[in-house]
Amino acid sequence: AQSVTQLDSQVPVFEEAPVELRCNYSSSVSVYLFWYVQYPNQGLQLLLKYLSGSTLVESINGFEAEFNKSQTSFHLRKPSVHISDTAEYFCAVQETSGSRLTFGEGTQLTVNP
Amino acid sequence: EPEVTQTPSHQVTQMGQEVILRCVPISNHLYFYWYRQILGQKVEFLVSFYNNEISEKSEIFDDQFSVERPDGSNFTLKIRSTKLEDSAMYFCASRRDGGTEAFFGQGTRLTVV
Repeated sequence: AQSVTQLDSQVPVFEEAPVELRCNYSSSVSVYLFWYVQYPNQGLQLLLKYLSGSTLVESINGFEAEFNKSQTSFHLRKPSVHISDTAEYFCAVQETSGSRLTFGEGTQLTVNP
Repeated sequence: EPEVTQTPSHQVTQMGQEVILRCVPISNHLYFYWYRQILGQKVEFLVSFYNNEISEKSEIFDDQFSVERPDGSNFTLKIRSTKLEDSAMYFCASRRDGGTEAFFGQGTRLTVV
């Protein structure tokens, strides 16, 4: 079985500041890793994913995440956030041989002017 | 861009009543899922469905729950006799054969009173 821990439930930052949302996972088998974002009153949208290959993955809106196998982490970072990045962010894992997602608790990112 | 659609967006029902939550997955997808998120808690996997049968279910998905694909487009979740603790946001998701990414709908907020 897998588990995901998101260490911060709330992260308030000022606009244009850098941010890191932390995610650690536990699994006895190989996994894929995902970050989903949920904007207010909307569904879950895939932000980025790690399947294999380069451990640094990027999204189209400036977020990046690095897979660290030794630390079993997949932290999400952005060097300069915007007001529009305010949302809840969910880290999730999936066995490479399976299809169900196991989610973390979510981190509410609030970007203040 | 194709998307997963869910109806209704919000449903209020009395304890003990049956409810059916509806989802239209993306048309060429073959894997279908239901997840739920109780307020303040993690997004939890309920069930996956492939080739007209349940492929995996969690311990939450007991005899009160059932899923069906009644026609070529809809995918439904039925809760036979709702309890107060069934109040949650229910998300439908779908995935294409050979894909790794699940696409989520906007969710149905179920309130049991």
